[in-house]
Amino acid sequence: AQSVTQLGSHVSVSEGALVLLRCNYSSSVPPYLFWYVQYPNQGLQLLLKYTSAATLVKGINGFEAEFKKSETSFHLTKPSAHMSDAAEYFCAVSVRQGAQKLVFGQGTRLTINP
Amino acid sequence: EPEVTQTPSHQVTQMGQEVILRCVPISNHLYFYWYRQILGQKVEFLVSFYNNEISEKSEIFDDQFSVERPDGSNFTLKIRSTKLEDSAMYFCASTGTSGNYNEQFFGPGTRLTVL
Repeated sequence: AQSVTQLGSHVSVSEGALVLLRCNYSSSVPPYLFWYVQYPNQGLQLLLKYTSAATLVKGINGFEAEFKKSETSFHLTKPSAHMSDAAEYFCAVSVRQGAQKLVFGQGTRLTINP
Repeated sequence: EPEVTQTPSHQVTQMGQEVILRCVPISNHLYFYWYRQILGQKVEFLVSFYNNEISEKSEIFDDQFSVERPDGSNFTLKIRSTKLEDSAMYFCASTGTSGNYNEQFFGPGTRLTVL
């Protein structure tokens, strides 16, 4: 079975500071990994995905994530936080192709301080 | 840009009543999903649907739940007799072929409140 652990349910950074949201996964087979963002009262929007190509993945809004197999991690980073980045972020894992489910982490609420 | 739509945005019902949550997936997508998110908790998988049948379901998806694709566009989730613990945000998602690496596109959700 697959699982995802997000370290830190709440992360607070200053505007302009580095954003680092941590995600560790468990999977018995090579995974596909995703980061989704959820703004208040909205659905889930895909930020980026790892699908066994490049280990450093760039997404929308300046976010990127690096797949590290040895650490079973897929941490999300952004060099400079913007106020509009305040949201809930979910890491998710899936395996095999076809109609496979996403398994989500608990989520990390990102707060940006002015 | 194509998007997944869900109706209603908010549904309030009495315990024991039946509810039907509706979703219109992206038109050329083949795989459909329902997830739920209880307030303050993580998003949980309920069921996946492909080729007019359930392909996988979670332990949450018991006999009280059913899904249907009644026509070429809608995908519905029915809860026969709602319980208080069914109160949650329900998300529909869809994806195209396996070549999309399971990039699932999510709808805005339906907030279900069971009183």
